[in-house]
Amino acid sequence: GESVGLHLPTLSVQEGDNSIINCAYSNSASDYFIWYKQESGKGPQFIIDIRSNMDKRQGQRVTVLLNKTVKHLSLQIAATQPGDSAVYFCAESPGHYGGSQGNLIFGKGTKLSVKP
Amino acid sequence: DVKVTQSSRYLVKRTGEKVFLECVQDMDHENMFWYRQDPGLGLRLIYFSYDVKMKEKGDIPEGYSVSREKKERFSLILESASTNQTSMYLCAVIPNTGELFFGEGSRLTVL
Repeated sequence: GESVGLHLPTLSVQEGDNSIINCAYSNSASDYFIWYKQESGKGPQFIIDIRSNMDKRQGQRVTVLLNKTVKHLSLQIAATQPGDSAVYFCAESPGHYGGSQGNLIFGKGTKLSVKP
Repeated sequence: DVKVTQSSRYLVKRTGEKVFLECVQDMDHENMFWYRQDPGLGLRLIYFSYDVKMKEKGDIPEGYSVSREKKERFSLILESASTNQTSMYLCAVIPNTGELFFGEGSRLTVL
């Protein structure tokens, strides 16, 4: 079946270090991937997305890498700050519901803790 | 960015009560979604809507219904709340740019 999962449920890093959060997906037909950040008591917040015709995309302090060969997605956060502490979700879009991006399949989440 | 407002952040209801969760967007986007979020299970799609008066079942529609009478408002209804519907409910909107914008969530406890 289809699944989106995360290799590590928790990640603890030192402030200033780089963080890498990994995600595996199983549907080779998925063509759109998103990373979300969810702080305690808040709704998920869009961070960055990538389409399957790309293997890398950069934002402000974040980079998403897509390896379609092994169906792997990663989120890299440079110079991690205390404000980056949150749960991070990956999501894939297998295109079930008429191509709408709302039919996302979400991973369970990785909790990132940043130590000062 | 789209602003998605869920009017009730915290609710406590009793088993068998009818529950309305309201979601309002500040733009004119067609696509709106309701998810529930549970520890260990992640986000699961309950219902979504492509336009006024249109609705489609998601992955876990049982025990829920929805209403979309106006484009900016998408309501989730629990006709007879049960304890297994205790959860965090998240409304989301997709603008033309493609990414999903979420509200702050409604945490429902059913006693």
